[in-house]
Amino acid sequence: DQQVKQNSPSLSVQEGRISILNCDYTNSMFDYFLWYKKYPAEGPTFLISISSIKDKNEDGRFTVFLNKSAKHLSLHIVPSQPGDSAVYFCAARDYYSGNTGKLIFGQGTTLQVKP
Amino acid sequence: DSGVTQTPKHLITATGQRVTLRCSPRSGDLSVYWYQQSLDQGLQFLIHYYNGEERAKGNILERFSAQQFPDLHSELNLSSLELGDSALYFCASSVDPGRNTEAFFGQGTRLTVV
Repeated sequence: DQQVKQNSPSLSVQEGRISILNCDYTNSMFDYFLWYKKYPAEGPTFLISISSIKDKNEDGRFTVFLNKSAKHLSLHIVPSQPGDSAVYFCAARDYYSGNTGKLIFGQGTTLQVKP
Repeated sequence: DSGVTQTPKHLITATGQRVTLRCSPRSGDLSVYWYQQSLDQGLQFLIHYYNGEERAKGNILERFSAQQFPDLHSELNLSSLELGDSALYFCASSVDPGRNTEAFFGQGTRLTVV
């Protein structure tokens, strides 16, 4: 049972345009959501997060939107840069089911930003 | 540099063998998490330790076990290895599982079972 899904395995955008990465989830108990970026041969690096009580969080070029009624999360990168090319993972936490910060990850979306 | 150290970076071993992966969390972090990533899949949660005690278990095989020591470093033991255990194993640490802060990941150990 995949609780967090990233339905687009890959995305290609032109430099300077907007990249939109999507994520859907099924567990309404998730209380915290995160996006991680991963380069080959490296560990995931935290990008941005959002609490379930908010609907938007912005950090520089990165904005995360949360639509709880639709159980949908999206990451907007604008403007996109070639250095943003990486695999992006959406992750969710259900802290109150066991007092754990374990994260449930989506399968990842490979973003390619073309110069 | 995330501050989380994993050793070794690469490990090649034969089927049936046992290996130990080591993780040193960021200074001050009490939680250690282990994740497995197989063949371009997402990261699968294995186990969570908080201040020396097991806090949560995921789909961790019985052949796998972990512990967290008093100095807070953690080890993941994989035994009776099978070809399908070949994967990237990541350790992550965080200060407090309930606080809305991110977990920091190590660079991972790439395990190849031949």
